[in-house]
Amino acid sequence: KNQVEQSPQSLIILEGKNCTLQCNYTVSPFSNLRWYKQDTGRGPVSLTIMTFSENTKSNGRYTATLDADTKQSSLHITASQLSDSASYICVVPRLNGQNFVFGPGTRLSVLP
Amino acid sequence: DTEVTQTPKHLVMGMTNKKSLKCEQHMGHRAMYWYKQKAKKPPELMFVYSYEKLSINESVPSRFSPECPNSSLLNLHLHALQPEDSALYLCASSQQRAGTGGSGELFFGEGSRLTVL
Repeated sequence: KNQVEQSPQSLIILEGKNCTLQCNYTVSPFSNLRWYKQDTGRGPVSLTIMTFSENTKSNGRYTATLDADTKQSSLHITASQLSDSASYICVVPRLNGQNFVFGPGTRLSVLP
Repeated sequence: DTEVTQTPKHLVMGMTNKKSLKCEQHMGHRAMYWYKQKAKKPPELMFVYSYEKLSINESVPSRFSPECPNSSLLNLHLHALQPEDSALYLCASSQQRAGTGGSGELFFGEGSRLTVL
C-alpha cells in the first residue's frame, strides 16, 4: 500500500537547538520525495526535494537525507529559530497514479 | 509570495447559501488540485484537473462542485454545506499531474478558510 509515515507527531524544542524529523514511505515505484513547511493557517511551501539518486541536500539551516534502500528520509534543522515553528509534511508523488501521498506531518514548536 | 492565488481568504456561509472559492495560477501548470485540510491534519485530496479535464474525484459529496474554466483558473462551487465542511481549502498546481513527468512539485495557494454555520 502506498503510504507515508512521519515521526514524531509533534516536537517541542528550545530556540537555538537542533532537531531531526523522520519520514518513512512505501510508495512504489519511487522517484522523489519533498519536504514541505506549513505555517498555521497558510499553504504548504516546498523546502527541498530528494530524488532517488540523492543522499543529502542542504537548504540553509535545513538538511534532508534520503536512504532509498530503507525508504527513509530525514529533515534536520540546525540552530532552530522561532519562525521554524510549523508543520513539516513529507510528500511522495505516485508515479502510477495521478496524485501525491502526504504524510501526517510533524508539528514543531520552537520556544524562546 | 505564492504564485497560486486563492480568493476569498476567509468565507463564512450558512447551510443554505451558495458560494464559490476561486483559484488562479499563471505558471503554465497543466494540473490543478483542490485539497481540504482540517486542523492538525495533512491536506486531503478532493479533485484533480489535468489539462482542464477532471481526472480525479475522491468521492467528494455533490455539494462540492469543481469547475475549470481554463488552464489558469479553478473554482469550487459550494452549496448546502454542513458545519463539518468547515476547513481550510487549499488549491494547488503542478507542472503536470504526478506520474507524467515534471518535477512533481505542488505549488499551494494560501488557502480559503471556510466556516459553515
